[in-house]
Amino acid sequence: GEDVEQSLFLSVREGDSSVINCTYTDSSSTYLYWYKQEPGAGLQLLTYIFSNMDMKQDQRLTVLLNKKDKHLSLRIADTQTGDSAIYFCAERDTGGGADGLTFGKGTHLIIQP
Amino acid sequence: ETGVTQTPRHLVMGMTNKKSLKCEQHLGHNAMYWYKQSAKKPLELMFVYSLEERVENNSVPSRFSPECPNSSHLFLHLHTLQPEDSALYLCASSQDRWGGEAFFGQGTRLTVV
Repeated sequence: GEDVEQSLFLSVREGDSSVINCTYTDSSSTYLYWYKQEPGAGLQLLTYIFSNMDMKQDQRLTVLLNKKDKHLSLRIADTQTGDSAIYFCAERDTGGGADGLTFGKGTHLIIQP
Repeated sequence: ETGVTQTPRHLVMGMTNKKSLKCEQHLGHNAMYWYKQSAKKPLELMFVYSLEERVENNSVPSRFSPECPNSSHLFLHLHTLQPEDSALYLCASSQDRWGGEAFFGQGTRLTVV
């Protein structure tokens, strides 16, 4: 079955870069997503990448995909207090497998002043 | 604002009550989803609708009953729930069931007493 793993916590200093890592098991062609969830809120789509891409950059966000190792990372440059949230990695199998997204448990990003 | 709207935002219900959660999207998407987010567990996919037809039911108890009257609206009817059903229920939509961006609503925080 599909499985998505993330570490539960990451602590960084304000102004530093944050790197949140994720591993997945499904080897089928897939989309991979990063969502942000602030307290009491729903999930905000930050970015997504198709598995034939290695990298995607959008302003302060950089997504790196190592398809061979099934490893996905989200780098947030110049981390600010407003970036404090839970970040979810998710994957979707487009090869005829289960519909919907499979999520990790989320990484709680803690910003130190 | 993701374009996916859920009502109500908060709901407290007794175990003998019947209530419904509503989700609405005007993004022109053809696939809609219900997810359950409980504490310390990954998001769980409950139901998937594609072009108003249910395509997946991940062994959800029958006390949860989905309804998709048209491509813009999705309901989750609740009856005789248990306290362990207390969770954040999230609705999502995507262009189709195969991939691309998936947007989430703000969720309904359900408490069963």
